[in-house]
Amino acid sequence: QKEVEQDPGPLSVPEGAIVSLNCTYSNSAFQYFMWYRQYSRKGPELLMYTYSSGNKEDGRFTAQVDKSSKYISLFIRDSQPSDSATYLCAMIGSGNTGKLIFGQGTTLQVKP
Amino acid sequence: DVKVTQSSRYLVKRTGEKVFLECVQDMDHENMFWYRQDPGLGLRLIYFSYDVKMKEKGDIPEGYSVSREKKERFSLILESASTNQTSMYLCASSILAGGGTGELFFGEGSRLTVL
Repeated sequence: QKEVEQDPGPLSVPEGAIVSLNCTYSNSAFQYFMWYRQYSRKGPELLMYTYSSGNKEDGRFTAQVDKSSKYISLFIRDSQPSDSATYLCAMIGSGNTGKLIFGQGTTLQVKP
Repeated sequence: DVKVTQSSRYLVKRTGEKVFLECVQDMDHENMFWYRQDPGLGLRLIYFSYDVKMKEKGDIPEGYSVSREKKERFSLILESASTNQTSMYLCASSILAGGGTGELFFGEGSRLTVL
């Protein structure tokens, strides 16, 4: 079993839809949870990060962590065609060596 | 802004050739990483380095080696390229964890095709 599981999709939604992207994990030592966005032919870039449990909002994006269920989510409100990308979850424990554990990535297409 | 620069965006090599992929970061980060990314397999860690002349194997080090002679530069070497090493290679850097989030800053990627 992988430490981090993420449905690769692809996920196709109409413009304006609410998108929910999810990851599950097995290591209870993970403390920092991140979402990276990767456009086609580009390197990933950090979109949001959350420490421990709870929610974090940034514009149309909300990151949610439920440590009791070992489940993290990224919600995109009012999705736009420019949100079309691959979204990778990543996580790391505290006192760590800097080695992130990534999910497989979910490919999202937002159709105009 | 942090910048991670990979020297080649696209390379085409022949089986058996020695291949060098170069990566430079300009933010004085201690950690540097090499990943490969393949459809359906996600990001897989090849090697990483915590400091100059330090290196540690990642999840798929076979067929690769690395060199870190200077803090800002981390090179990935394919001693004898094979067709199954055709992939997108991503370099990344981060501040040493211990209070940090471990956020990675990625380069644009190097797409290698081995014929």
